[in-house]
Amino acid sequence: GAVVSQHPSWVICKSGTSVKIECRSLDFQATTMFWYRQFPKQSLMLMATSNEGSKATYEQGVEKDKFLINHASLTLSTLTVTSAHPEDSSFYICSALRQDLTGEQYFGPGTRLTVT
Amino acid sequence: KQEVTQIPAALSVPEGENLVLNCSFTDSAIYNLQWFRQDPGKGLTSLLLIQSSQREQTSGRLNASLDKSSGRSTLYIAASQPGDSATYLCAVGPRGGSEKLVFGKGMKLTVNP
Repeated sequence: GAVVSQHPSWVICKSGTSVKIECRSLDFQATTMFWYRQFPKQSLMLMATSNEGSKATYEQGVEKDKFLINHASLTLSTLTVTSAHPEDSSFYICSALRQDLTGEQYFGPGTRLTVT
Repeated sequence: KQEVTQIPAALSVPEGENLVLNCSFTDSAIYNLQWFRQDPGKGLTSLLLIQSSQREQTSGRLNASLDKSSGRSTLYIAASQPGDSATYLCAVGPRGGSEKLVFGKGMKLTVNP
């Protein structure tokens, strides 16, 4: 199956700093990627849709100035958490959409962010 | 608005049982439906993808069925093993080209040796 990677797998940062998370589709091109966050024992919450070459589309209630998304190439999307606060601590997961007839999404392994 | 429900939220069974995991959705106008597995602290692993025109898909000990008219999908796990212990998520891909999956809350499965 298709492979999607995330980097880093975990990160600890101090409150007020910014953190960048990368999502890469390793063996296919993805014009559309998605960013989710997941709190403990909860399901995934879609944050935004990342479109290559255009602005991301954010879900209601997600601050676009706080969660900056850049989809500069067909294999890479980045999520930057700016001025991180402890309440931003979460598990962030990306997915890449396979642009063929199946419409299948492939998920990355996730990034655990802890803000102290 | 599409809503996806998975009941029960948790299931504990002895090894060797054949299992049925249920997923229901409110809007039958779907593009596809995916079943995922998530291990603690890990990302999602796609298990099976069923297109709206299909009725079932099989992979090894797993079989997923789809009944759009009743808004249901079922994941069958044959001869369960302790390694099957994980959270299983059902997600629906809606029509309309948005490709945004709508997830259920998942079902935590524990298979006891």
